[in-house]
Order: sequence, then C-alpha cells, then structure tokens
Amino acid sequence: EVQLVESGGGLVQPGGSLRLSCAGSGFIFSDHCIDWVRQAPGKGLEWVGRSGNKADRYTTQYAASVTGRFTISRDESENSLHLQMSSLKTEDAAIYYCVRVSRSGFPDYWGQGTLVTVSS
Amino acid sequence: DIQLTQSPSFLSASVGDRVTITCRASQVISSFLAWYQQKPGKAPKLLIYAASTLQSGVPSRFSGSGSGTEFTLTISSLQPEDFATYYCLHLKSYPLTFGGGAKVEVK
Repeated sequence: EVQLVESGGGLVQPGGSLRLSCAGSGFIFSDHCIDWVRQAPGKGLEWVGRSGNKADRYTTQYAASVTGRFTISRDESENSLHLQMSSLKTEDAAIYYCVRVSRSGFPDYWGQGTLVTVSS
Repeated sequence: DIQLTQSPSFLSASVGDRVTITCRASQVISSFLAWYQQKPGKAPKLLIYAASTLQSGVPSRFSGSGSGTEFTLTISSLQPEDFATYYCLHLKSYPLTFGGGAKVEVK
C-alpha cells in the first residue's frame, strides 16, 4: 500500500524557519517525483514545488511565491523528502501535503498533511 | 504562468442529479489535466488524469473530457458521498497550478 506521512509542522514566528519531512512507503521512493502542495485555512490548493526522481537527479522546481526561501531535498537512505522553509511569512501558514507523482506524471497519492502556523 | 478558471465555484445539487464542472486554461495544455475531490478535513483524492482517464478505484459515474483549453468533470448521478470540493490541476509546464475549486453542496 502506498503511504506518505508528513511531519515537522508546528508554530513558528514570522521570519523563522521550519523543516518538514515526508516519509514514503509501499513504492520505490527514488523512482518517483514528489510534490509539495499547501492549503491555507479555508482556501484552495497551491503547488509549492517538486523533487524529480533519481533519473532526473532529483532536480527541483518551485513556485515563485517560495523560490529563494524554500528548499526541497531527498534522503535516499531513509526514503524521505524534506522541505526546508526559511524567512517564513504569515501567508505561508497552511496544511502542507506531500504527494507522489505517478509514472504517467500526475500527482496521485497524498499524505495526510502537516499544519504550519506562522504567527507571533 | 498558466491560469485555470473553474466554474461554477459553488453549485447546489440533489442526489441523482447530473453535475458538470468546467475548467478553462489560459493557454493550450493538451490533455495535461487532472481532477481531484476533497472532503472537509481530508487530503485530496485523484479522480481523473490525462483529462479523461479514470483513476483506478474511482466510480464510473465520474468522467472527464476536453483538451486544449476547456475541460469538464461530469458526475452522471450524484451520490451522497460526492458532496465535496473539486479541483482541476494542469501539468503542462512549471509552475503547476490548481483551479480555484468548485464546491458541490446539498440543495
């Protein structure tokens, strides 16, 4: 069974940093691209960024709203993905989901999400 | 960036109704479009990919059509478990973008 589990969310002050993690199981983690998608309270979905797969040498892509502040990285040994967030703004507050991308290129399996709150 | 506009944003419907949601892209995206269903407090669920391919395990009352810039998600006979918010997502190029969502409510 494909599973994705996010962790690391919490309360952080504006300007602060936080590191989210995503652990995958039930599939060959390195074979798949993985996306981060967020959802602010009561709002719609926003794509944050993508880690390519091993064949892509884990190339990353980011939304303009987070470029230069967020960094996606992989830990092959632990089948995990990380989202390092810095210079956090109040508008970054959201549930952050990690999402597996299928071999056909479409995000298919979603984790349960982890909540990030940015407030002083 | 490619923008996706969903319509309507809200619709009230009854069990058994045929429901259609539209997603319009600001540029041609071929068939690089997916549809997701999200229920309150839950992660989204993939329904349709490549504009018209039903994801495994999704009931056949859901269907998708379109290519280019205009796409539709149709629920042929609305069931109680289908009251939810539906999002389209394009994968034509980076950045990926979602439509604003379409909430299907009980009439």
